[in-house]
Amino acid sequence: EADIYQTPRYLVIGTGKKITLECSQTMGHDKMYWYQQDPGMELHLIHYSYGVNSTEKGDLSSESTVSRIRTEHFPLTLESARPSHTSQYLCASESGDLSYEQYFGPGTRLTVT
Amino acid sequence: AQSVTQPDIHITVSEGASLELRCNYSYGATPYLFWYVQSPGQGLQLLLKYFSGDTLVQGIKGFEAEFKRSQSSFNLRKPSVHWSDAAEYFCAVGAGYSSASKIIFGSGTRLSIRP
Repeated sequence: EADIYQTPRYLVIGTGKKITLECSQTMGHDKMYWYQQDPGMELHLIHYSYGVNSTEKGDLSSESTVSRIRTEHFPLTLESARPSHTSQYLCASESGDLSYEQYFGPGTRLTVT
Repeated sequence: AQSVTQPDIHITVSEGASLELRCNYSYGATPYLFWYVQSPGQGLQLLLKYFSGDTLVQGIKGFEAEFKRSQSSFNLRKPSVHWSDAAEYFCAVGAGYSSASKIIFGSGTRLSIRP
């Protein structure tokens, strides 16, 4: 059973607000990922991290930022939320052994009004 | 660049019937292939993966998939579906980069089960 958590699960917020989506894992995995998923669509990688103090942008351009100060924590921040940010955000982690097996959190469904 | 196509957006099968979900990929080298399942309101769970070796891969929950290089396919099968199998299924292809593996997901197939 994977131990990766995301909070909040659901968030409705007004335009212009700053928000942080939390992601934590207790497996000691070095690699962590953020995906954006629209209903009925594929997942798009927006950020990833190799380990502490390492962050990279993914394939899909995103106005969000991430940080990786601790191994277990990989928060995603939107400085000024817009309706176009409405989506589901999924966090995942992977061990460093080239298993390519990613463990996913339950997701945060964000609605910006 | 690698890509994944799942041609069926939505499939409905009767409980107890067999299932096959299609997946085609595009990748220049031997791919790493995955099937994930996503239940409503949940994250993704890995069903099975293919890296090399036997082209018929067994996974969890009674699922299997067959890698066919000549057809660039990695179809998911189950001999008898259960109502609890209703979910969204994603095929994915992975490529190893220097330090991080990047997985490209298909657009998913939604599976409904008819009682």
